[in-house]
Amino acid sequence: EVQLVESGGGLVQPGRSLKLSCVASGFTFSNYGMNWIRQAPGKGLEWVAYISSGSSYIYYAETVKGRFTISRDNAKNTLYLQMTSLRSEDTALYYCARRPTVATYFDYWGQGVMVTVSS
Amino acid sequence: DVVLTQTPPTLSATIGQSVSISCRSSQSLLDSDGDTYLNWLLQRPGQSPQLLIYSVSNLESGVPNRFSGSGSETDFTLKISGVEAEDLGVYYCMQATHAPLTFGSGTKLEIK
Repeated sequence: EVQLVESGGGLVQPGRSLKLSCVASGFTFSNYGMNWIRQAPGKGLEWVAYISSGSSYIYYAETVKGRFTISRDNAKNTLYLQMTSLRSEDTALYYCARRPTVATYFDYWGQGVMVTVSS
Repeated sequence: DVVLTQTPPTLSATIGQSVSISCRSSQSLLDSDGDTYLNWLLQRPGQSPQLLIYSVSNLESGVPNRFSGSGSETDFTLKISGVEAEDLGVYYCMQATHAPLTFGSGTKLEIK
């Protein structure tokens, strides 16, 4: 069974940093591109970042470029999102989601981890 | 960025009723490779989104065939033929033809 389990969220002050993790199981993690997608409270979905299976290709939304860093450790089946210079508008539920290599959709999502940026 | 406009924002249906949700794109979603990368997702209350349909009309494995997708270029429709209680939630369209990937604002389906 495919599982994606996020962790690392919490309450953080504006300007501080936080690192999210997403542990994958039930599939060959190194064969799939991975994404972070977020959802502000009561709002819609916003794509945040993408990393290819071998980390060769990395893309970010303009809203987080230069502040967030996506990475992965295929040996540990883990996806990361390092978030720095956090702002109140980064407050959201952060999902990791799997993207099959030749596909343009997300076929599995984690349950999400909440990040709250507030003083 | 591509803007996806979903209508209606809210939809109320009785069990067994057929309903449609529209997704209009600010740009054509026809890719240079000939495919159209418009997907539909459902987010049930308190749950993560799940994929229903990809590339306009392809049903994801395990999704009931009462769900169907159609459309082209800038106009797309998700149809539910015979709503069931488990279908309540928020439906999102999502495009992956143009970077960055974007989502529609969502359509909330309520069961009467």
